Amino acid sequence: AQTVTQSQPEMSVQEAETVTLSCTYDTSESDYYLFWYKQPPSRQMILVIRQEAYKQQNATENRFSVNFQKAAKSFSLKISDSQLGDAAMYFCAYRSAYAGGTSYGKLTFGQGTILTVHP
Amino acid sequence: EAQVTQNPRYLITVTGKKLTVTCSQNMNHEYMSWYRQDPGLGLRQIYYSMNVEVTDKGDVPEGYKVSRKEKRNFPLILESPSPNQTSLYFCASSALGRGSAHEQFFGPGTRLTVL
Repeated sequence: AQTVTQSQPEMSVQEAETVTLSCTYDTSESDYYLFWYKQPPSRQMILVIRQEAYKQQNATENRFSVNFQKAAKSFSLKISDSQLGDAAMYFCAYRSAYAGGTSYGKLTFGQGTILTVHP
Repeated sequence: EAQVTQNPRYLITVTGKKLTVTCSQNMNHEYMSWYRQDPGLGLRQIYYSMNVEVTDKGDVPEGYKVSRKEKRNFPLILESPSPNQTSLYFCASSALGRGSAHEQFFGPGTRLTVL
């Protein structure tokens, strides 16, 4: 079974600065997807960024980028030029890409990191 | 607008009183799933469905039931709720297959309190 670990329960950053959220995972599979979801106080789950394991290039979405280290099973999220609206709970998640398996389609989440942005 | 809807958004009930949380998606997705979110544990899968009439247990299925009679609907049933089922519940859906974006779309969540 796959596991996802977020070792930072809380992080804080000054507005306009950069912060990195850590995520490690454990899997025996070679083909999978990794995600970062944002959960603001509204509780809505919002997809921030997605990485496909067979792509070596790190994904980027505007101010959000990832550092994907497949061999180390590490998937960190970097938020540049932090804004007050970035304050939220962030979840790292894993999804198998193998069709037909019992875990196909399932998202396995980490425990979450609460990000506070100081003005 | 593509969306997943859940009802109710908030529910306070008492131990043993059967309840159903509805979930509906308008994206023609094959895959639907229920998760519960608890502090320090992230989201954990309760049940999932690969298609109509195809459902299976996730990681924490005890005390829950589901059904998938139509592709768009995937209700979560608590036949005899207990206080340890107090949680935030999310329904989610996604397409399947290599060509899909593999993004899972989430409903707005249902906050359930069992007294």
